[in-house]
Formats: sequence, C-alpha cells, structure tokens
Amino acid sequence: EAGVTQSPTHLIKTRGQQATLRCSPISGHTSVYWYQQALGLGLQFLLWYDEGEERNRGNFPPRFSGRQFPNYSSELNVNALELEDSALYLCASSLGLDSSYNEQFFGPGTRLTVL
Amino acid sequence: AQSVTQLDSHVSVSEGTPVLLRCNYSSSYSPSLFWYVQHPNKGLQLLLKYTSAATLVKGINGFEAEFKKSETSFHLTKPSAHMSDAAEYFCVVRLFGNEKLTFGTGTRLTIIP
Repeated sequence: EAGVTQSPTHLIKTRGQQATLRCSPISGHTSVYWYQQALGLGLQFLLWYDEGEERNRGNFPPRFSGRQFPNYSSELNVNALELEDSALYLCASSLGLDSSYNEQFFGPGTRLTVL
Repeated sequence: AQSVTQLDSHVSVSEGTPVLLRCNYSSSYSPSLFWYVQHPNKGLQLLLKYTSAATLVKGINGFEAEFKKSETSFHLTKPSAHMSDAAEYFCVVRLFGNEKLTFGTGTRLTIIP
C-alpha cells in the first residue's frame, strides 16, 4: 500500500513569490494535515482538512492557505514568501472524523527554501 | 491548553545499553500521547501511542512507554540500544476530540558504537 506522498521534494523560491506544495493521502484516508518544521521552532500544526473542508487552523497568517480536492489530495499555498518560511513542510493523512481513532501517517515532506 | 516538554534535547548512549527519553505533558483533559521517530531525510513514523487503555504501552522496534498521571510523564524506554535507533524522537499530545497534534521540541538520540 502506498504511503503519503508529497511533491516536490525540494522547492526554491525568492521572497515575495508564491509556493504551492502538494500532498496525496493514503488510499481511503479523508483527512489531510499540514505541519511546518522550521529550524528552532520545531513542528507546528498548520492546517487540517477533512472531506474537502478546513476543520482547524494553527497560528499562522492568512497567507498560508490550502484546499482539499474531491479525491482527498491537498494543496498548501504560501503567498508573499518570507525568509522565515524556509522549512520542511510535512503532510499527514488519517481516516475521517467518523473513525474512533485517527492515527496520522506522515509523508517525507517538502523542503522549501526562500532566498 | 495542551503541551509537551521533552526534557533533553540530546541523549547519547552506547550500543547495547538502555535508552531513556523523557517527556512531561500538560493537559486539562484526558490526553492521547504518542512518540514519533524521524530518521534523517525521512518522514515521521509512529513508535507507540497511549489512548487511555493500558498505562504501559509497547511499540515497534522494542520501545515502550509508561503513562504516569501522577507525574504527568510519558517517558520512552528501550532495554538495549541499537545503532539503527539513532534519530530524532518527538513526544506528541492530542486532546480527545481534537485532531491537532502538539509536538515537543524533540530529542536527538545518538548511539555510540
């Protein structure tokens, strides 16, 4: 069974540009989560989507946004990139809200570098 | 609010000796607690989880953790370290009914040959 996949593996952008990161969940999973792992800040929760809707959002500015498509894959968009957005962005997926326990399975991440 | 504190940023042990990675949690309600491992250039892998069943939880690769409510701790242990255990370990808390995971700052485990 294929795990969570993310693309691209690496992404290099300059300040002010926009970045789009993609995530495909494990087959059968309807929830997708995004986390940011930045140096010195640890792993922080960004966004959670389930059944196409945003369910929860971490303490990040509005220029971090995303969406979930009908096939449950997801996109994370970061607008007006700043140097401090450089980080490893991890995507995770789990079974939907109607499951009693939703273990999150993580992808390998996208490393975003902002120059 | 919930949080976890990993008491050691870096732990070094010799191969074949016991491993102890310490974690304290803070939560107003009954939490679910997890340990994840991250090997270099790889994603996070779940080692074990506590979800209010048995307080001693066994995970993969010989790791286990004990939930101690009186001490608000969830320390990770392994009787005998192996070179392949070298990685970053994260203690994680999740409130019941909330899917958001809150991560500790991580403990880097180094195994000395």
